[in-house]
Amino acid sequence: SYELTQPPSVSVSPGQTASITCSGDKLGDKNACWYQQKPGQSPVLIIYQDNKRPSGIPERFSGSNSGNTATLTISGTQAMDEADYYCQAWDSRTAVFGTGTKVTVL
Amino acid sequence: EVQLVESGGGLVQPGGSLRLSCAASGFTFSSYWMSWVRQAPGKGLEWVANIKQDGYEKYYVDSVKGRFTISRDNAKNSVYLQMNSLRAEDTAVYYCARWLQLFHYFDYWGQGTLVTVSS
Repeated sequence: SYELTQPPSVSVSPGQTASITCSGDKLGDKNACWYQQKPGQSPVLIIYQDNKRPSGIPERFSGSNSGNTATLTISGTQAMDEADYYCQAWDSRTAVFGTGTKVTVL
Repeated sequence: EVQLVESGGGLVQPGGSLRLSCAASGFTFSSYWMSWVRQAPGKGLEWVANIKQDGYEKYYVDSVKGRFTISRDNAKNSVYLQMNSLRAEDTAVYYCARWLQLFHYFDYWGQGTLVTVSS
């Protein structure tokens, strides 16, 4: 079965840039998206189709996808960005989520 | 405003059954695929099932095939998840989500309903 691997945790200082990777076989050939989930809340879509932002998502969130890796970048990270982040793709009629990354803003 | 409201969660014994419901509003329900996604306590997200607009095309994660059934009623703007032969490992918050089949992502999520399988 298809797997998407993310680092368990990423730490970033306020105002700095955080990058979260998502690795999967030929992921660049698929549509990758990203969700943010804060404690006790439902996931929120923040990036779709590799690099598009839904309405209302701040510009500091951006995405890319090439080869075997999709990347979520948070520029000028704010304390409110502390959350769990999940990538997701579709393979063989199955929606697959990444293992999740906890972003800590120190 | 798109709203998805789940209901039907609760405590059930192993081997038991439960039916989850999701009431949708704020969009043309019959025009969208719908999904269920779950999250075990302290764990990551796991997709469970998708259903096409007309209800005739459905996909499931391997771990629930033969036990869970997704269905929908477009007249009631609702999607359901019938869960049979429940196991302890099915314990999770179950989210209803709208699925964009063309580009493969979930654009709206409900608040979730907790299912606990325990004796």
